[in-house]
Amino acid sequence: RKEVEQDPGPFNVPEGATVAFNCTYSNSASQSFFWYRQDCRKEPKLLMSVYSSGNEDGRFTAQLNRASQYISLLIRDSKLSDSATYLCVAHSGGGADGLTFGKGTHLIIQP
Amino acid sequence: NAGVTQTPKFRVLKTGQSMTLLCAQDMNHEYMYWYRQDPGMGLRLIHYSVGEGTTAKGEVPDGYNVSRLKKQNFLLGLESAAPSQTSVYFCASTYRLNYGYTFGSGTRLTVV
Repeated sequence: RKEVEQDPGPFNVPEGATVAFNCTYSNSASQSFFWYRQDCRKEPKLLMSVYSSGNEDGRFTAQLNRASQYISLLIRDSKLSDSATYLCVAHSGGGADGLTFGKGTHLIIQP
Repeated sequence: NAGVTQTPKFRVLKTGQSMTLLCAQDMNHEYMYWYRQDPGMGLRLIHYSVGEGTTAKGEVPDGYNVSRLKKQNFLLGLESAAPSQTSVYFCASTYRLNYGYTFGSGTRLTVV
């Protein structure tokens, strides 16, 4: 069974701090990776794709380590509005049902 | 551009009743999915479709049926609702397999 594992948290972080969390994936054939953000009682929304070379989008940086099969998300200068659950997602590249979602890491930014 | 629209947003059913959840997307996406999300369980795939007229089972298909008669619509049916089907249901779509999904806003279903 394909698995994506995440620390559920919660991570309690003061506003303005830098926070990082990782996830690990079990399927070495996974080809595409994503971070989604889910607010309470809302749908998941795509935050960013994760590329092999690493990528940055404003205050957010995603990294992929294929050798160790983990993905990371770094949030700099955290804002109160960053409080949410962050879902790590891997795609095996095989069938159309290939997306595997982690259960999410809950982040709370404190004033 | 509405994206992915789910109806209804909330519903309470009695055990044994039936209902259909509708998912509509206006992005001309080929691939559509139905997930359920329960506390501590994450998102679990119920059924999916790779194009008009096609459907396939996901991880937790029992108790559900689906149909995709039109490319833009993906229907999820519960023939005889059970309390174990109390959940939040999300529909999602994408136009390529290695691209991210766009989710609808969800349907909160309670079966009593």
